[in-house]
Amino acid sequence: NAGVMQNPRHLVRRRGQEARLRCSPMKGHSHVYWYRQLPEEGLKFMVYLQKENIIDESGMPKERFSAEFPKEGPSILRIQQVVRGDSAAYFCASSGDRSYEQYFGPGTRLTVT
Amino acid sequence: EDKVVQSPLSLVVHEGDTVTLNCSYEVTNFRSLLWYKQEKKAPTFLFMLTSSGIEKKSGRLSSILDKKELFSILNITATQTGDSAIYLCAVTAQAGTALIFGKGTTLSVSS
Repeated sequence: NAGVMQNPRHLVRRRGQEARLRCSPMKGHSHVYWYRQLPEEGLKFMVYLQKENIIDESGMPKERFSAEFPKEGPSILRIQQVVRGDSAAYFCASSGDRSYEQYFGPGTRLTVT
Repeated sequence: EDKVVQSPLSLVVHEGDTVTLNCSYEVTNFRSLLWYKQEKKAPTFLFMLTSSGIEKKSGRLSSILDKKELFSILNITATQTGDSAIYLCAVTAQAGTALIFGKGTTLSVSS
């Protein structure tokens, strides 16, 4: 029973490029959450999605960031025109219906040069 | 504003010691508190606590929640070097909502 999968594990982008981060939830889970961990900071919530719907995006920056969870395929976190301040570890978590427990993927470490 | 505060921020102990990690919270409509262990990868789920005064236990780790005083503790007995990690505390208002994390406690266990 595979856990939460994320790819790539490491991503290097130059300023101004786009970054695409992928997340496949644990089997049987339909709820996906994205968190960002900046150096010396705790994990911060970004967005919560169910299949084809964004439920809560209160933690997403207003510009350049977007997320989707299509009917088929992984959830995607997209960052356009990356800046150095976007360098961080981005974690995806998933949960089952009516469950408080969220299980995390290994994260994608984004470095913007 | 909802917040979670963990203490201490870091801790260095010797193998065999017992440690207690603290987590206090202020959150609207609290429903559950979760503990995670983070090594150089994904946070790994340890415990979820929803009821006050009921201890959760797994091997050398145990945790308890006090909903009146708004805090939880995580105890690790007979520590081992493999316990070295960042321990994260998070709270949530209801199922299917964001976890609010503390900054974590970095535990280092020396042999």
